[in-house]
Amino acid sequence: NAGVMQNPRHLVRRRGQEARLRCSPMKGHSHVYWYRQLPEEGLKFMVYLQKENIIDESGMPKERFSAEFPKEGPSILRIQQVVRGDSAAYFCASSPTGTPQETQYFGPGTRLLVL
Amino acid sequence: GEDVEQSLFLSVREGDSSVINCTYTDSSSTYLYWYKQEPGAGLQLLTYIFSNMDMKQDQRLTVLLNKKDKHLSLRIADTQTGDSAIYFCAESMDTGRRALTFGSGTRLQVQP
Repeated sequence: NAGVMQNPRHLVRRRGQEARLRCSPMKGHSHVYWYRQLPEEGLKFMVYLQKENIIDESGMPKERFSAEFPKEGPSILRIQQVVRGDSAAYFCASSPTGTPQETQYFGPGTRLLVL
Repeated sequence: GEDVEQSLFLSVREGDSSVINCTYTDSSSTYLYWYKQEPGAGLQLLTYIFSNMDMKQDQRLTVLLNKKDKHLSLRIADTQTGDSAIYFCAESMDTGRRALTFGSGTRLQVQP
């Protein structure tokens, strides 16, 4: 049973380019969470999605960031016109049913470097 | 408000016990988690405790929860060099919000 998969593992972008980060949840999981970890810091919640729905995007920056979780395929976190401050590790987690306090299982992360 | 705090660094000798501490401010926390992060890797769930418990033991790991003081600790018995990593505590609230709130992590260094 494969765990949460994220790709790419490492991504380098120049300022102004777009970054697309993908997350495939664990088999049987239909709830996905994205977190961002800045260097030397803990993880900060960004967005929580269910298939085809954004449930909670209270942690998402208002501009340039968007997320989706289509009916088919992985969840995508998209960052437009990246800036150096977007350099961070982006982690995806998944859970089976999204009930409160349900354990979230994390992927290995995508490390984004903006030059 | 939500705030989870941890000490930044802990160094122990191999074979000793390690105790990693965490404090939180939100009294509506219901589950508290410990995650382990090795260099360049994702987060591995180690253990969790429900807020109506005060202790949970799982092999070499013991979690203690003092709800009155909002203090959580993780004790690792017989610490090994493979335990060297960053340890994060995290809380979830009973507000129904699914987001976890993480501390900034404690880097555990195990000296041979």
